[in-house]
Amino acid sequence: DAGVIQSPRHEVTEMGQEVTLRCKPISGHDYLFWYRQTMMRGLELLIYFNNNVPIDDSGMPEDRFSAKMPNASFSTLKIQPSEPRDSAVYFCASSLGVWNTEAFFGQGTRLTVV
Amino acid sequence: AQTVTQSQPEMSVQEAETVTLSCTYDTSESDYYLFWYKQPPSRQMILVIRQEAYKQQNATENRFSVNFQKAAKSFSLKISDSQLGDAAMYFCAYRSPGGGADGLTFGKGTHLIIQP
Repeated sequence: DAGVIQSPRHEVTEMGQEVTLRCKPISGHDYLFWYRQTMMRGLELLIYFNNNVPIDDSGMPEDRFSAKMPNASFSTLKIQPSEPRDSAVYFCASSLGVWNTEAFFGQGTRLTVV
Repeated sequence: AQTVTQSQPEMSVQEAETVTLSCTYDTSESDYYLFWYKQPPSRQMILVIRQEAYKQQNATENRFSVNFQKAAKSFSLKISDSQLGDAAMYFCAYRSPGGGADGLTFGKGTHLIIQP
């Protein structure tokens, strides 16, 4: 398996624009996580899915953020409208159903909002 | 809510020497998992080692080992025979036993510098 695949690797956008980040989890993994990494706050869990169903979105900062998982092999994180303070690295990770297994991370998307 | 604290923002060690990175956590649960992840400049998060809370034996992976003190809620990482490729950010992480917050809670990280 190629691992967790995220696209794009880098995104630069203007304030107010819509941004969509994409993730393909490892085949067979039934948990998918979205994290955000900033210097100030470190790595924060935004939302996670189990079997394509959102389980906990309490980490989503505002209504401007939304995430979907239409099928087992694809998820999106959307920010609309984007703001400069959304600039960060966004990671997607996936893991098997049992809680004691590792989460495999994608290479992240570096988002810059100007 | 669980919290993970890494009190060393940066550590430096000479190549071939041993270094220990500290991590403490706060939880009311008795079963959980702890992890150390490495993040090199490439940004990729790589699992270094994991520890099950119900196991008393400390986990080891080649040059990497942990000192898990459950009562003290401490989980330090020891890197022996440090190599230049070990230079990275190291994150300590906690994972609940499911049924709720299944995601990882991370510490703020320790930047490890290897001096040649």
